[in-house]
Amino acid sequence: QITLKESGPTLVKPTQTLTLTCTFSGFSLSTSGVGVGWIRQPPGKALEWLALIYWNDDKRYSPSLKSRLTITKDTSKNQVVLTMTNMDPVDTATYYCAHLETVNLDYWGQGTLVTVSS
Amino acid sequence: QSVLTQPPSASGTPGQRVTISCSGSSSNIGSNTVNWYQQLPGTAPKLLIYSNNQRPSGVPDRFSGSKSGTSASLAISGLQSEDEADYYCAAWDDSLNGHVVFGGGTKLTVL
Repeated sequence: QITLKESGPTLVKPTQTLTLTCTFSGFSLSTSGVGVGWIRQPPGKALEWLALIYWNDDKRYSPSLKSRLTITKDTSKNQVVLTMTNMDPVDTATYYCAHLETVNLDYWGQGTLVTVSS
Repeated sequence: QSVLTQPPSASGTPGQRVTISCSGSSSNIGSNTVNWYQQLPGTAPKLLIYSNNQRPSGVPDRFSGSKSGTSASLAISGLQSEDEADYYCAAWDDSLNGHVVFGGGTKLTVL
């Protein structure tokens, strides 16, 4: 059974760096074809894809946010970490991580709401 | 502004068939497969259709997907009240080193 759970701060101040951790079970990030992606959703708005990391450490980022994002994995801990620098109130959103099978985001975490406010 | 274009809303009565469109370009839908996600109110998205027309285990066959050129469609037949949700299309985009793109979402209302 594949499960994922996001964790991190619920409130960050403008200009701060956000660090989110996705802790998963039921699969290994050392298995060929497997990856973990991050997606966010501002309140009442659409999904926005942020980044993904594959089993072979291949990383892809949203072109519009690439300069602010870093994604890393710790295979031994079954964790993927996303950092986003220079946070702004427009970054207020629910952040989801999801299991990726080739290009299919087939299992999602419950999401974590991050509010950016001073 | 989402890369993939969906109608913001759709509606139907119980039992009806409803379709939701998703329009893209040659770098995304035109050259890659399309996924559809269903997001019930207050919950995380759920994979509904993958590889254009495949249903994960547990998804009713009332849901079907298709793709033609740079557009894709999700069809829901025998509409039920529990189908009221937001629906998103997504695809891989080959431009700019490759990334995932989502549609803006379609809110389906069951009248």
